[in-house]
Amino acid sequence: EPEVTQTPSHQVTQMGQEVILRCVPISNHLYFYWYRQILGQKVEFLVSFYNNEISEKSEIFDDQFSVERPDGSNFTLKIRSTKLEDSAMYFCASSPLVADYEQYFGPGTRLTVT
Amino acid sequence: AQSVTQLGSHVSVSEGALVLLRCNYSSSVPPYLFWYVQYPNQGLQLLLKYTTGATLVKGINGFEAEFKKSETSFHLTKPSAHMSDAAEYFCAVSRTEKLTFGTGTRLTIIP
Repeated sequence: EPEVTQTPSHQVTQMGQEVILRCVPISNHLYFYWYRQILGQKVEFLVSFYNNEISEKSEIFDDQFSVERPDGSNFTLKIRSTKLEDSAMYFCASSPLVADYEQYFGPGTRLTVT
Repeated sequence: AQSVTQLGSHVSVSEGALVLLRCNYSSSVPPYLFWYVQYPNQGLQLLLKYTTGATLVKGINGFEAEFKKSETSFHLTKPSAHMSDAAEYFCAVSRTEKLTFGTGTRLTIIP
């Protein structure tokens, strides 16, 4: 069964460094998402992406964040200058259509900022 | 604005007993409702969803949920708990591309 994959599974970085989290969505899906979950808190929406542009973003998704689909398979989240409060589990998701909003999630990347 | 409240951050049930996980939502428009499950070190897996039509929806692994508009609820149930049901369960609401999640309920199964 097709699945969303994410790399790395765990990333440790120093405050102020740039990180890129990578995702490979399911191949025939058209909509892509990033969510994050700070330890002990709820899963929060960051951004959705369709047709090579951001379609919706949350207040969390400020200028420090960017997303890109550099080729036909990868979907990346970049954090330009990491802060301690960026430490969280980051989930990528994809969906074939937006009509029924069924999103398929990857296993997540745990980002630790020291 | 949409929001989700899950009552009980931890629920323990005996193996074979009824599982009931509570979810109440707030939405200004008719919502789409979801239950996701997260097993340790894994991503979120969709259990079931309600969009339109029949208010009782059946999902995977014997779970079902009923959309009750008058109570703004979407509680998740399973008649007989199995050890493999131990996981974290998230209720979510959507009406756009963005899923809004509850804080989750950790389900523990007592042998």
